Amino acid sequence: EPEVTQTPSHQVTQMGQEVILRCVPISNHLYFYWYRQILGQKVEFLVSFYNNEISEKSEIFDDQFSVERPDGSNFTLKIRSTKLEDSAMYFCASSPTGEGTNSPLHFGNGTRLTVT
Amino acid sequence: DAKTTQPNSMESNEEEPVHLPCNHSTISGTDYIHWYRQLPSQGPEYVIHGLTSNVNNRMASLAIAEDRKSSTLILHRATLRDAAVYYCILSASGAGSYQLTFGKGTKLSVIP
Repeated sequence: EPEVTQTPSHQVTQMGQEVILRCVPISNHLYFYWYRQILGQKVEFLVSFYNNEISEKSEIFDDQFSVERPDGSNFTLKIRSTKLEDSAMYFCASSPTGEGTNSPLHFGNGTRLTVT
Repeated sequence: DAKTTQPNSMESNEEEPVHLPCNHSTISGTDYIHWYRQLPSQGPEYVIHGLTSNVNNRMASLAIAEDRKSSTLILHRATLRDAAVYYCILSASGAGSYQLTFGKGTKLSVIP
């Protein structure tokens, strides 16, 4: 069964550094998402992306965050200047066209970001 | 988003059926009911979703109350691999992308 893959599985970075988290969504999916989960807390929505633009974003997704689909297969989340509180698991997800049907989201297994 | 209420934790014996309840008394007519689960150290995994009618798939069954104010996820025979946090989530139908609002879910423990 096709999977969403995320790399790296664990990223350690120093505060203030830029970090890029990478995801390869399922190939025929059209909608892409980033969620995060701080240790011991809920899974939180960050952003959704469709047709090369952001569809929705949460309050967490401020100017330090950006997303990009640089080619036909990758979907990236960039954090420009990391803060200690950005330490979390970041999950990428994708879904096929979901107009009116709430198609299921397929999640990757996440990248653990540790900011020191 | 309409809110859901789930028990914090539940236990089940292996190979027994499990009924995971969810209350969503403020559900609107266009809200779908989704269930996802999260195994330890993994991303959320889709289980099942429905609107009004009961739904079955290879993983589970979803029983939706007639007034839609509650639903129950049914695992027919719990295995050790089913030990996870189960999330009941509502999302509005409509075009395009949508966000899932995860709560704390129900932590299911399966006893061998």
